[in-house]
Amino acid sequence: AQSVTQLGSHVSVSEGALVLLRCNYSSSVPPYLFWYVQYPNQGLQLLLKYTSAATLVKGINGFEAEFKKSETSFHLTKPSAHMSDAAEYFCAVSDTEYGNKLVFGAGTILRVKS
Amino acid sequence: DTAVSQTPKYLVTQMGNDKSIKCEQNLGHDTMYWYKQDSKKFLKIMFSYNNKELIINETVPNRFSPKSPDKAHLNLHINSLELGDSAVYFCASSQRGGSYEQYFGPGTRLTVT
Repeated sequence: AQSVTQLGSHVSVSEGALVLLRCNYSSSVPPYLFWYVQYPNQGLQLLLKYTSAATLVKGINGFEAEFKKSETSFHLTKPSAHMSDAAEYFCAVSDTEYGNKLVFGAGTILRVKS
Repeated sequence: DTAVSQTPKYLVTQMGNDKSIKCEQNLGHDTMYWYKQDSKKFLKIMFSYNNKELIINETVPNRFSPKSPDKAHLNLHINSLELGDSAVYFCASSQRGGSYEQYFGPGTRLTVT
């Protein structure tokens, strides 16, 4: 079965600094991978997805992620953090063994300091 | 236009009661889902329907019964509510297939007292 591990439940960066949120996956088949963002008291919004095309995926709000098969990783980055990036970020892998479901990591809360 | 909508947004009720949450999507998707987010923000699939057919039923107590009257609607009925059912319930929809992203509703925060 597919699974996702997000390293670091909390990440704190200064405004303008690099954002790096880590995600490692386990999958017996080529994975479909997603990053979602959740602002307080809201639903989940898709940031970007990897579906076996380009390994470097660009998403919304200046975020991007690189799929590295050798490292089974799909880390999320943004060159310069903005205060509005403060939220919780979830990495997910699509498990299609029975139907189609997203298996989520535990989430990483990003704090941006002024 | 709201893509995936849920009602109600907040639900406060007592143990033992029965309650329902409704979900509607206007994206033309053929697959809908219910996820539960617990107090630690962990998200887990509960059910998935494709064209009104139940295709995923995770290890959820049978007090939870989903119903899909048509492709655009997926409701969740919960009988005999327990304290442990307190959580945020998210509805989502997508096209069928693992490469398709899922679109999430705003969530329903259920509090059982």
